[in-house]
Amino acid sequence: QKEVEQDPGPLSVPEGAIVSLNCTYSNSAFQYFMWYRQYSRKGPELLMYTYSSGNKEDGRFTAQVDKSSKYISLFIRDSQPSDSATYLCAMNRYSSASKIIFGSGTRLSIRP
Amino acid sequence: DGGITQSPKYLFRKEGQNVTLSCEQNLNHDAMYWYRQDPGQGLRLIYYSQIVNDFQKGDIAEGYSVSREKKESFPLTVTSAQKNPTAFYLCASRSFRATGTGELFFGEGSRLTVL
Repeated sequence: QKEVEQDPGPLSVPEGAIVSLNCTYSNSAFQYFMWYRQYSRKGPELLMYTYSSGNKEDGRFTAQVDKSSKYISLFIRDSQPSDSATYLCAMNRYSSASKIIFGSGTRLSIRP
Repeated sequence: DGGITQSPKYLFRKEGQNVTLSCEQNLNHDAMYWYRQDPGQGLRLIYYSQIVNDFQKGDIAEGYSVSREKKESFPLTVTSAQKNPTAFYLCASRSFRATGTGELFFGEGSRLTVL
């Protein structure tokens, strides 16, 4: 079993829809949770970062962490075609931990 | 502009040849990483280095080698021993002195194709 599981998609939704992306994990020691966005043929870039449980909002993006269920989510409101990308969840035990564990990524497409 | 530069962007290699992928960063970051990305498998860690002249194997180090002679540079050699080298390779760096996330900063990647 992988430490981090993520549905690879692809996920296709119409412009303006609310998108929900999710990951589950098995290691209860994870405390730092990240979402990276990767456009085609580019390197990933950090989109959202959350420590421990709770919600964090940044514009149209909301990250949620439920440590009791070992489940994290990224919500995108009012989705735009420019949001079309692969979204990777990532996590580690502490902020300076050498190894960050990545999910396999979900490919998202927003239809105009 | 500060960032991570990977070269070449695209590389073709014949079976049995070694190739070296370059990674340079001017962010003054301590740690550097090499990841391999295959469709549907996310990012898998090949090697990482936290200080100059020291590096550790990641999850899939077999068939790869690295060096860290300078803080700014972390080249990756894909040797002929790597059985399935065709992939997208990503270099990343991070600072352990920065407050906050200690996020990974990635280069644009190098796509290696073995013919």
